[in-house]
Amino acid sequence: AQKVTQAQTEISVVEKEDVTLDCVYETRDTTYYLFWYKQPPSGELVFLIRRNSFDEQNEISGRYSWNFQKSTSSFNFTITASQVVDSAVYFCALSEREGGSEKLVFGKGMKLTVNP
Amino acid sequence: EAGVAQSPRYKIIEKRQSVAFWCNPISGHATLYWYQQILGQGPKLLIQFQNNGVVDDSQLPKDRFSAERLKGVDSTLKIQPAKLEDSAVYLCASSLNRVDTGELFFGEGSRLTVL
Repeated sequence: AQKVTQAQTEISVVEKEDVTLDCVYETRDTTYYLFWYKQPPSGELVFLIRRNSFDEQNEISGRYSWNFQKSTSSFNFTITASQVVDSAVYFCALSEREGGSEKLVFGKGMKLTVNP
Repeated sequence: EAGVAQSPRYKIIEKRQSVAFWCNPISGHATLYWYQQILGQGPKLLIQFQNNGVVDDSQLPKDRFSAERLKGVDSTLKIQPAKLEDSAVYLCASSLNRVDTGELFFGEGSRLTVL
């Protein structure tokens, strides 16, 4: 079975600090997709990024950046100059193909608290 | 564009009672998902529909959970009879295409407490 591990369960930082959220995955598929989702207190998960297994380029979007390293099966997420609005639970996910269908397998999530 | 709508937001029931949750996906989204999120864990897929057909229900406890998506639009998830361990947030999501090429749009969830 495929698996997503987010070792950190909770992190607390002060505003403007940089913070990195770790994600390690296991899969036997050669083609797969990795995702990050944000879950604010309101409850709905918000899509942040999708990365396919053939694209190891790092990506930057504003204060967010992602580091995908196939050699270590990691897909880490860094928030630069964190803000209070970044407080949320962040989930890493892996697309899994099973029985002809695809589904997302989520990690347990990491709760980020950014204090003013 | 309207997002994924779910109701009710909160429900408290006693064990062995029944409950139903409703989801209206984003217009035009063919794929609809129900996830169960237990406190402190990531969402777990219960069932996936493509239009009105079931694609994956391998993790749905079929002795007590059922779901349908009549007419390929909105969907209902039912639990009967509920157990204490069913206390969770039930998230509905929809996507235009397959999960690995399209992003999922989630509703705010329905929080179930079973006493």
